[in-house]
Amino acid sequence: LAKTTQPISMDSYEGQEVNITCSHNNIATNDYITWYQQFPSQGPRFIIQGYKTKVTNEVASLFIPADRKSSTLSLPRVSLSDTAVYYCLVEFSTNAGKSTFGDGTTLTVKP
Amino acid sequence: GAGVSQSPSNKVTEKGKDVELRCDPISGHTALYWYRQSLGQGLEFLIYFQGNSAPDKSGLPSDRFSAERTGGSVSTLTIQRTQQEDSAVYLCASSGRGQNTEAFFGQGTRLTVV
Repeated sequence: LAKTTQPISMDSYEGQEVNITCSHNNIATNDYITWYQQFPSQGPRFIIQGYKTKVTNEVASLFIPADRKSSTLSLPRVSLSDTAVYYCLVEFSTNAGKSTFGDGTTLTVKP
Repeated sequence: GAGVSQSPSNKVTEKGKDVELRCDPISGHTALYWYRQSLGQGLEFLIYFQGNSAPDKSGLPSDRFSAERTGGSVSTLTIQRTQQEDSAVYLCASSGRGQNTEAFFGQGTRLTVV
């Protein structure tokens, strides 16, 4: 299974752009990269998913270099409500279900 | 329902007792997942169902843990002879058919073994 490595924690201030990088050196050809957000006492919530290059949606962007051994989640202009744990996940394209969550990055946004 | 529903939301049980945790996935979702999250930790994969079949049970921590899914819908995670180290939040998620479809999580069941 492809294992992911993320920073344990990050601090930021309101209005700043936050970039969280995840390493997945053993990613396989058919694996996709997915990011989830988790607030205390809630289940994780899907943020964004990509395979290569750049993906953007209404809440975030995901940058994946050509070798796909890492990925960067970019959150533009964070607010206090973005304080949460962010998980990088590598998933099999066949939806085999055995997805591996890392320990996550605790992002704290300060006023 | 509108989302993944788990019950009970909280469960306190005595060491040695059996517990059953229930998950109602989103209607029509074929894939169902169980995870465990200890306090302050990441998610630990337990088991995955595609329909009623569980192709991979290797994530279950011991033979005291079992899970089933009937009718391609509701799933039950059973823990026999509970131990204090079983205390955690048990999360269920479901996703639709297709590659890399988004997984929707329930709010979890907080299990406390005393």
